[in-house]
Amino acid sequence: GENVEQHPSTLSVQEGDSAVIKCTYSDSASNYFPWYKQELGKGPQLIIDIRSNVGEKKDQRIAVTLNKTAKHFSLHITETQPEDSAVYFCAGKSNAGGTSYGKLTFGQGTILTVHP
Amino acid sequence: EAEVAQSPRYKITEKSQAVAFWCDPISGHATLYWYRQILGQGPELLVQFQDESVVDDSQLPKDRFSAERLKGVDSTLKIQPAELGDSAMYLCATRPTGWGRWYFNEQFFGPGTRLTVL
Repeated sequence: GENVEQHPSTLSVQEGDSAVIKCTYSDSASNYFPWYKQELGKGPQLIIDIRSNVGEKKDQRIAVTLNKTAKHFSLHITETQPEDSAVYFCAGKSNAGGTSYGKLTFGQGTILTVHP
Repeated sequence: EAEVAQSPRYKITEKSQAVAFWCDPISGHATLYWYRQILGQGPELLVQFQDESVVDDSQLPKDRFSAERLKGVDSTLKIQPAELGDSAMYLCATRPTGWGRWYFNEQFFGPGTRLTVL
């Protein structure tokens, strides 16, 4: 099955700096990679996603890059703000078939702290 | 904006007791997932429904966990008996119906039920 590794586990930046979180995946059949933001006491909320036929996607201050050859993808947040502080999860969707089809496998999470 | 509803939000129970969690999906979302999220980790899939049918329960501890979605709408996850290691956040997520379109990939999560087993 799919295995997703996420780094770093914690990330502390100053307001206005950029933050980068990296993930690697194992299943070459995976074709969809979302990023979720989870605030304390809440469920994860999708912030950006990318399909395997695209190398980069940007939405205002957030961007995601995907390297299929190396099987890794990254989240980039520019001009960070204190409200960006949360736990961020990457995930990969398996297309391997059988019971794994459409299943999201999550990374371990990154606690991002943005200091004012 | 439509949201996934879950109840209760918090549950404290003693080990060996039975607990149940409820999820009400966004209207029209045929696919429903139950995840368990241990503190400090990412969500892990327990069970996936397509309408009322289970399509993946390979990670569900079936000796104590059960899940149902009788009418293909709301769903219940039950644990009996609860063990100390079951303390976690239980998340419900749903996905729109359909295949082959970009939009249908996104899973929408509810706020979760925080379970504490004493």
